[in-house]
Amino acid sequence: GDSVTQKEGLVTLTEGLPVMLNCTYQTIYSNAFLFWYVHYLNESPRLLLKSSTDNKRTEHQGFHATLHKSSSSFHLQKSSAQLSDSALYYCALSDLYGSSGNKLIFGIGTLLSVKP
Amino acid sequence: EAAVTQSPRNKVAVTGGKVTLSCNQTNNHNNMYWYRQDTGHGLRLIHYSYGAGSTEKGDIPDGYKASRPSQENFSLILELATPSQTSVYFCASGEGTGGNYAEQFFGPGTRLTVL
Repeated sequence: GDSVTQKEGLVTLTEGLPVMLNCTYQTIYSNAFLFWYVHYLNESPRLLLKSSTDNKRTEHQGFHATLHKSSSSFHLQKSSAQLSDSALYYCALSDLYGSSGNKLIFGIGTLLSVKP
Repeated sequence: EAAVTQSPRNKVAVTGGKVTLSCNQTNNHNNMYWYRQDTGHGLRLIHYSYGAGSTEKGDIPDGYKASRPSQENFSLILELATPSQTSVYFCASGEGTGGNYAEQFFGPGTRLTVL
């Protein structure tokens, strides 16, 4: 079945350094839709950005990601980490036809901790 | 206005007791979902629903039941709560189709402690 892998459970960075959170996925369907959700402490998880277009960069709130279907990857990046970026980040997958039962397939999440 | 609300926000229950977690959405979405969030496991799907009257098992349904009496409301029921069900529970709603419309909108969460 479909799956999403986030290898890093915790990423600790110093403020100002670049951020890269890894996400790879597996699906038998060619029309993969990938999402990044962000979950700040004491808030609801919310959508950060999404993409279905191969090799096209998508950006939102200073973060960006590019879907690479050839490598089944959708890594989240930011040029310079801020203290306020500390949060739990989830990568998630859907396919065009909802054949995963109209569900989002989530990775286990990466906790980003930004230190001064 | 918050579109997905949950009640209670915090709950302490005793082992063997019955717990009901409630969720309400004003998005007019067909689908609703219940997840639990645990460190090292992320968000795991317990039950979901395609619309009023329907419930479907998610990835970890054992020990949980669900009820969808209306488009707006979706409840998660723990008939016999156990300490292993101590967790943070999130409800979400979504249009219920795939692809670009698979986006889900989450509630604020319920912190459940089973003693």
